[in-house]
Amino acid sequence: QQQVKQSPQSLIVQKGGISIINCAYENTAFDYFPWYQQFPGKGPALLIAIRPDVSEKKEGRFTISFNKSAKQFSLHIMDSQPGDSATYFCAASSTGSGYSTLTFGKGTMLLVSP
Amino acid sequence: DSGVTQTPKHLITATGQRVTLRCSPRSGDLSVYWYQQSLDQGLQFLIQYYNGEERAKGNILERFSAQQFPDLHSELNLSSLELGDSALYFCASSGTDIYEQYFGPGTRLTVT
Repeated sequence: QQQVKQSPQSLIVQKGGISIINCAYENTAFDYFPWYQQFPGKGPALLIAIRPDVSEKKEGRFTISFNKSAKQFSLHIMDSQPGDSATYFCAASSTGSGYSTLTFGKGTMLLVSP
Repeated sequence: DSGVTQTPKHLITATGQRVTLRCSPRSGDLSVYWYQQSLDQGLQFLIQYYNGEERAKGNILERFSAQQFPDLHSELNLSSLELGDSALYFCASSGTDIYEQYFGPGTRLTVT
């Protein structure tokens, strides 16, 4: 059972455009939703994260939009740059037991064309 | 650089063998997590340790085990290796904010 569904699998965006990646979750106990960025040969790097008490969080060119009722969240990359070309993973976790383990989406390969 | 280190970077071994992957968390982090990344399964949580004690278990096979030592480094032991165990194995650590996990560069395991 895939608890976090991510789309699209791959995305090509022109330089300066907006990249949008979507995720949907099933487990209503999830209370933390991070996005990770992974370059080839590297480990995932924490990019930005949101908790369900807010509907949007912005850090620089990266924005998370969160819809609790729809159980969906998305990553928007404004003014996309070639250096943003990477694989992006959404994730979710719950801390009800006092610890946090991440459930990841399958990833989106983003290519920003110059 | 996340501050999490993993060794070795690459490991090639034969089926049936046993290997040990090592992870050193960020300075001060008490929690260590192990994840497996493969093309078909994606990133999957294996196991978590907190200050030497096992805290959570995910999709970890019985052939796999882990431990966290008093100096907080962790080792993931994989035994009776099969071709399907070929994957990237990542270690992550978290500190006082248990939500934020920082990943190491990974160990690429190839089983031939």
